[in-house]
Amino acid sequence: AQSVTQLGSHVSVSEGALVLLRCNYSSSVPPYLFWYVQYPNQGLQLLLKYTTGATLVKGINGFEAEFKKSETSFHLTKPSAHMSDAAEYFCAVSDGGGFKTIFGAGTRLFVKA
Amino acid sequence: GAGVSQTPSNKVTEKGKYVELRCDPISGHTALYWYRQSLGQGPEFLIYFQGTGAADDSGLPNDRFFAVRPEGSVSTLKIQRTERGDSAVYLCASSSTPDRREGYTFGSGTRLTVV
Repeated sequence: AQSVTQLGSHVSVSEGALVLLRCNYSSSVPPYLFWYVQYPNQGLQLLLKYTTGATLVKGINGFEAEFKKSETSFHLTKPSAHMSDAAEYFCAVSDGGGFKTIFGAGTRLFVKA
Repeated sequence: GAGVSQTPSNKVTEKGKYVELRCDPISGHTALYWYRQSLGQGPEFLIYFQGTGAADDSGLPNDRFFAVRPEGSVSTLKIQRTERGDSAVYLCASSSTPDRREGYTFGSGTRLTVV
């Protein structure tokens, strides 16, 4: 069965600092992996995705993530945090064999001025 | 429409009452999903429609929950005999294909509060 673990329910960084949000997954087959961002009172917005091919994927707003099969990880990074990055971030996995995409519990990112 | 529309945005109901939550997907999107997001948790899968039919309803928690999509566009999630534990944000998402590689477009959700 698929599952997603996001390490750290809350992450706080200073403006301009590196953002690192951790995600580990389990899947019996090569997975599709996603990061979504949720701003207050809004729906989830797709940030980036990995399906096949290049393991380093770039998304919107300067975010990127790297698929590491050996570590079953898909961590999200951004070199320099901006105040507008404050939101909740969800990692998700779909193994392509069924109809579900499974979401992690989320990591709330705080950005300090 | 331009995005996924969910109505109402907020719903307060008394325990034991019946509620209907509506989802208007992006025009032409054949795949439609319902998720439930409880406080402090990630979205939890409820049901998936491909066209008019429910292809996977394994996430519905019990027989009080039911969803329809009679014409392959608008979907309604129906909850009978609501309980306080049903309080959550109900999210709808759609996709142009059943291929989950594309990811989903989510609506803003309906916040259901059962008092």
